[in-house]
Amino acid sequence: DGGITQSPKYLFRKEGQNVTLSCEQNLNHDAMYWYRQDPGQGLRLIYYSQIVNDFQKGDIAEGYSVSREKKESFPLTVTSAQKNPTAFYLCASSGPYYEQYFGPGTRLTVT
Amino acid sequence: KNEVEQSPQNLTAQEGEFITINCSYSVGISALHWLQQHPGGGIVSLFMLSSGKKKHGRLIATINIQEKHSSLHITASHPRDSAVYICAVMGVSQGGSEKLVFGKGTKLTVNP
Repeated sequence: DGGITQSPKYLFRKEGQNVTLSCEQNLNHDAMYWYRQDPGQGLRLIYYSQIVNDFQKGDIAEGYSVSREKKESFPLTVTSAQKNPTAFYLCASSGPYYEQYFGPGTRLTVT
Repeated sequence: KNEVEQSPQNLTAQEGEFITINCSYSVGISALHWLQQHPGGGIVSLFMLSSGKKKHGRLIATINIQEKHSSLHITASHPRDSAVYICAVMGVSQGGSEKLVFGKGTKLTVNP
């Protein structure tokens, strides 16, 4: 079945460590996105990529980095520079007609 | 002020009731999405619309472009409809590419 996979579902890290969240899609979509969700807030865009080897900062990119070396993969690294990294992270992709597909999310806890 | 405002924030209904969730936006858009998020966190796209009305089963979504307003209706609500419903609009970012702007969501609880 086509879709988006994110792993792991839950992730625990110590403060000061970088951590990479995985996102893979087999929908053949060019556009991929990373969002962050905090309680009581709408999803906020971290980074997005419209095509392989290209990506753009979203609204809250500070402390995060991404790569897009393959069409299928868009990993997000949460660096130690991110001041408040504990959150729910969602990866998404969109098709040629802007239809949206979301992954199951990764809940990151940093202590 | 949020670019996308949803109301109500929380909604509790009895099984069988007709539900309406509202979404107002302040930016020009190319499309509006209604999304459903279950307690596990995964999000499913329910509708994408740019004009008029769409229906899928017991769910109906409408949009009025002139008034910048959309509604999501659920007929004959059921406990399994309990979820957070999110309105998101596709607008143009400063860089010229399109991006989604999300409302904060409406938490719906349907009691048996």
